[in-house]
Amino acid sequence: KNEVEQSPQNLTAQEGEFITINCSYSVGISALHWLQQHPGGGIVSLFMLSSGKKKHGRLIATINIQEKHSSLHITASHPRDSAVYICAVSDSGGSNYKLTFGKGTLLTVNP
Amino acid sequence: NAGVTQTPKFQVLKTGQSMTLQCAQDMNHEYMSWYRQDPGMGLRLIHYSVGAGITDQGEVPNGYNVSRSTTEDFPLRLLSAAPSQTSVYFCASSLDTPYSSYNSPLHFGNGTRLTVT
Repeated sequence: KNEVEQSPQNLTAQEGEFITINCSYSVGISALHWLQQHPGGGIVSLFMLSSGKKKHGRLIATINIQEKHSSLHITASHPRDSAVYICAVSDSGGSNYKLTFGKGTLLTVNP
Repeated sequence: NAGVTQTPKFQVLKTGQSMTLQCAQDMNHEYMSWYRQDPGMGLRLIHYSVGAGITDQGEVPNGYNVSRSTTEDFPLRLLSAAPSQTSVYFCASSLDTPYSSYNSPLHFGNGTRLTVT
């Protein structure tokens, strides 16, 4: 079973700061997902990656397959970015229909 | 498109009662899945389906049943509710399986908060 570790667990930033959230996993994967969950709210998919880098607005996701590591960056952070960010991976082995999730990173952006 | 619709939003059950959590999607997605979210733990997969008539167990399937008679619907049944099943439940769907190299993001429902007393 893949082990997914996110860091940091909690992150507090000031509006405008550059944010980085990290995700490491233990076993080779076929895809990695970044999700966003607002307090008391639903879950939204931000990115799905299997290699390289993707960008959407102020959000950038990168993945290094060799190092088994992914990062989510937020440029020019805003209070509305305050949420839990969750990393999830699907194994490249036999259990590739199943996602393993990290415990999430709680981001608070203060005005 | 309504996306993924989950009902009910909240539910309180007594130990031993049964109920069905409904999940429907209107995006013609093949892959559907149920997760539970508990404090201090990541989302955990309960059951999933890769198409109508096909279901399989996830990480924590005990005490839950599913069926997939149509592409659109994927209900989750609690057979005899227990306090350990108090949780927030999410249904999700995607066009293809989560491992596909095709860009197939997951779409989540708004969740069902279940309390078993």
